[in-house]
Amino acid sequence: GQQVMQIPQYQHVQEGEDFTTYCNSSTTLSNIQWYKQRPGGHPVFLIQLVKSGEVKKQKRLTFQFGEAKKNSSLHITATQTTDVGTYFCAGLRSSNTGKLIFGQGTTLQVKP
Amino acid sequence: DAGITQSPRHKVTETGTPVTLRCHQTENHRYMYWYRQDPGHGLRLIHYSYGVKDTDKGEVSDGYSVSRSKTEDFLLTLESATSSQTSVYFCAISDSGRHVTDTQYFGPGTRLTVL
Repeated sequence: GQQVMQIPQYQHVQEGEDFTTYCNSSTTLSNIQWYKQRPGGHPVFLIQLVKSGEVKKQKRLTFQFGEAKKNSSLHITATQTTDVGTYFCAGLRSSNTGKLIFGQGTTLQVKP
Repeated sequence: DAGITQSPRHKVTETGTPVTLRCHQTENHRYMYWYRQDPGHGLRLIHYSYGVKDTDKGEVSDGYSVSRSKTEDFLLTLESATSSQTSVYFCAISDSGRHVTDTQYFGPGTRLTVL
């Protein structure tokens, strides 16, 4: 079946360093969404990318959707302790049924 | 946060007992989902509903059943709980399953331990 792979699984950085997580799908996606889950919390929607090659920014976060609509990345510039959590990508298939396929998530730890 | 509640928030039960988890929404969203979250697996879809009495299986549906008799409530039942069903269960809702800009809103989760 369709899979969405996310790497790395864990990342420890020093506060102020940059961080990137990558998401790859085995099939073309209609769109890709990113969610953040704080420790002990629930996933919260961050952003959605729809167009091939799309780039969106939210303050220090930059999201990209690949040209083939099969991969995506989230880059955080100058991490802060508030960035701690698990970041999930989730793909909506082109022949969508409304079901999202989630990646395994990348857990970010930031050392002050 | 969207108006989604889950009950109970924590439950400890024994192998072989039935368990029902409830998800309640006040957003009048059509679609509702049940996920389980386990380390290294992310969020995996158990079942989802696209309307009252309309449900379908997700990728890990074995051992689970669901019911939706009202728009606002989506129940997840473990007929005979097993230790492998120890997990954190999240309910989610969305306002459309067939719209390209759909997003999902998650409830606070239920931590279930099966001894």
